[in-house]
Amino acid sequence: DQQVKQNSPSLSVQEGRISILNCDYTNSMFDYFLWYKKYPAEGPTFLISISSIKDKNEDGRFTVFLNKSAKHLSLHIVPSQPGDSAVYFCAAGWDGGTASKLTFGTGTRLQVTL
Amino acid sequence: DTEVTQTPKHLVMGMTNKKSLKCEQHMGHRAMYWYKQKAKKPPELMFVYSYEKLSINESVPSRFSPECPNSSLLNLHLHALQPEDSALYLCASRGSSYNSPLHFGNGTRLTVT
Repeated sequence: DQQVKQNSPSLSVQEGRISILNCDYTNSMFDYFLWYKKYPAEGPTFLISISSIKDKNEDGRFTVFLNKSAKHLSLHIVPSQPGDSAVYFCAAGWDGGTASKLTFGTGTRLQVTL
Repeated sequence: DTEVTQTPKHLVMGMTNKKSLKCEQHMGHRAMYWYKQKAKKPPELMFVYSYEKLSINESVPSRFSPECPNSSLLNLHLHALQPEDSALYLCASRGSSYNSPLHFGNGTRLTVT
């Protein structure tokens, strides 16, 4: 049972344009959501997160939007840069203290072209 | 540079071997995690340690044995693995602040022959 889904396995965007990555979840218990970026042969790197009490969080070129009623979140990257080419995972969890666990989506491979 | 260090980076072992994966963090985090990631799949949780005690075991086969000697170290002991256990093994740690993210190491690429 895939509780966190990323329906687009890949996305290609031109440099300077906006990249929009989408994620859907099914578990209403999730109360915080994160985006990770992963390069080959490296571990996932934390990008940005959002709590369920917010609908938007912004950090530089990265903005995450949360629509709780639709159980949907998205990551916007503006402007996209070639160095953004990587696999992006969304993740969701609920805060059970230090033993909290995250459930990851299947990933979207973003390619930013020149 | 990642603040979670994993060794070795690569490991090839036979099905009768015993080996260990090591993970170290010095961020003062009291929760540490083992994840397994197969190609083109998301990371899958294996174990969670909280304050050096095992708090979550996601029904992992006993051929994987975790150990948390102290708050900075996490080991994963491997014995009698199968070729299908070949994967990237990721260690992560997490602070105790509300909604703290996981910080991952770069992983150990394990191949079982």
